[in-house]
Amino acid sequence: AQSVSQHNHHVILSEAASLELGCNYSYGGTVNLFWYVQYPGQHLQLLLKYFSGDPLVKGIKGFEAEFIKSKFSFNLRKPSVQWSDTAEYFCAVNAASGGYQKVTFGIGTKLQVIP
Amino acid sequence: ETGVTQTPRHLVMGMTNKKSLKCEQHLGHNAMYWYKQSAKKPLELMFVYSLEERVENNSVPSRFSPECPNSSHLFLHLHTLQPEDSALYLCASSQLGRGGQDEQFFGPGTRLTVL
Repeated sequence: AQSVSQHNHHVILSEAASLELGCNYSYGGTVNLFWYVQYPGQHLQLLLKYFSGDPLVKGIKGFEAEFIKSKFSFNLRKPSVQWSDTAEYFCAVNAASGGYQKVTFGIGTKLQVIP
Repeated sequence: ETGVTQTPRHLVMGMTNKKSLKCEQHLGHNAMYWYKQSAKKPLELMFVYSLEERVENNSVPSRFSPECPNSSHLFLHLHTLQPEDSALYLCASSQLGRGGQDEQFFGPGTRLTVL
């Protein structure tokens, strides 16, 4: 069974600080990887995704993530955070088997950016 | 707006009540999902419908009963719930059939409180 670990449950940063949120997964086969974001009072939405090709993927709002297969990791990064990045971030893994998808989510990381 | 709507947005019910949550997707997707989001826990997949057939039921108690009358609508019927069932219930949809690459689109959720 696949699982996802997010190491930082609550992160507090000042504006302009750099961000890196850790995500590790356990699954032996081919995976698709996602980061979702949930802004306060809003729905979960996709930030970025990886399914093949360049392991460094870029998403919306200046976020990027790097897939390191040997480390089973898919860490999220942003060089300079803004107050508007305050949100909860979820890493998710989907076994790439076609047909029905079973997506497993991490517990989430709450990011608080202080102006 | 993600193209996935949920009603009601908030629901308070007693343990003996019967209520239903409704989800509608306007994206033409062929799969729909119910998730439970509780504080300090990963998003829990409850039910998956693919092409209107239930393909996954993650050992959810029978007091939760899903219904998918067509590819655009999904219901979650609730009866004799427990206070620990209080949570945010999220509906999502996706398009299957392309190697599991497609992200899920989430609704805003129904905040359920069981007294």
